[in-house]
Amino acid sequence: GESVGLHLPTLSVQEGDNSIINCAYSNSASDYFIWYKQESGKGPQFIIDIRSNMDKRQGQRVTVLLNKTVKHLSLQIAATQPGDSAVYFCAENAGNNRKLIWGLGTSLAVNP
Amino acid sequence: NAGVMQNPRHLVRRRGQEARLRCSPMKGHSHVYWYRQLPEEGLKFMVYLQKENIIDESGMPKERFSAEFPKEGPSILRIQQVVRGDSAAYFCASSLSQGASNQPQHFGDGTRLSIL
Repeated sequence: GESVGLHLPTLSVQEGDNSIINCAYSNSASDYFIWYKQESGKGPQFIIDIRSNMDKRQGQRVTVLLNKTVKHLSLQIAATQPGDSAVYFCAENAGNNRKLIWGLGTSLAVNP
Repeated sequence: NAGVMQNPRHLVRRRGQEARLRCSPMKGHSHVYWYRQLPEEGLKFMVYLQKENIIDESGMPKERFSAEFPKEGPSILRIQQVVRGDSAAYFCASSLSQGASNQPQHFGDGTRLSIL
């Protein structure tokens, strides 16, 4: 029979533009969120995290926004560079539960 | 390299054989997590261990899969009598203190398991 594969959402941006990657999380009890970047053939690389008592956190060229009302998380990358091309995952953690629950991922392609 | 080290990077097994995946956490980290990833999917939690203890194995199949993190040496994820459906990338992460609510988990580059 014919197999059907999953296709990651893809965001294509021009080098130098800002990128916004969105994530909807599922558990209203989640109190800690992390963005990871995964390049082909490598493990996830920590980018930035945010706790539920905050709605914004900034790092170097990256900003994470948390909207608990609609259970939405976003990652903003300023002045996107070719090296930012990767799959980006958001992950959530709920209280005493130590395991991370991962979203599907978004593939970011940066055009030179 | 002070990061999480996993080996082997690639492992090929025939159906029915055993697979052993090893993970050395970052220096000073005593918490280890194993995840499984299929192509174009997010990671799925399998098991969380501290030194010599399994804390949460709710994501690990009850049969054929086991994990350990001995007092000395790396953490081992063991898959007995492998089947084709076990083919995946297996990632290990470690954290410094008590789990994700305090510290981020840092990942190795994974072991890609292929079952013939």
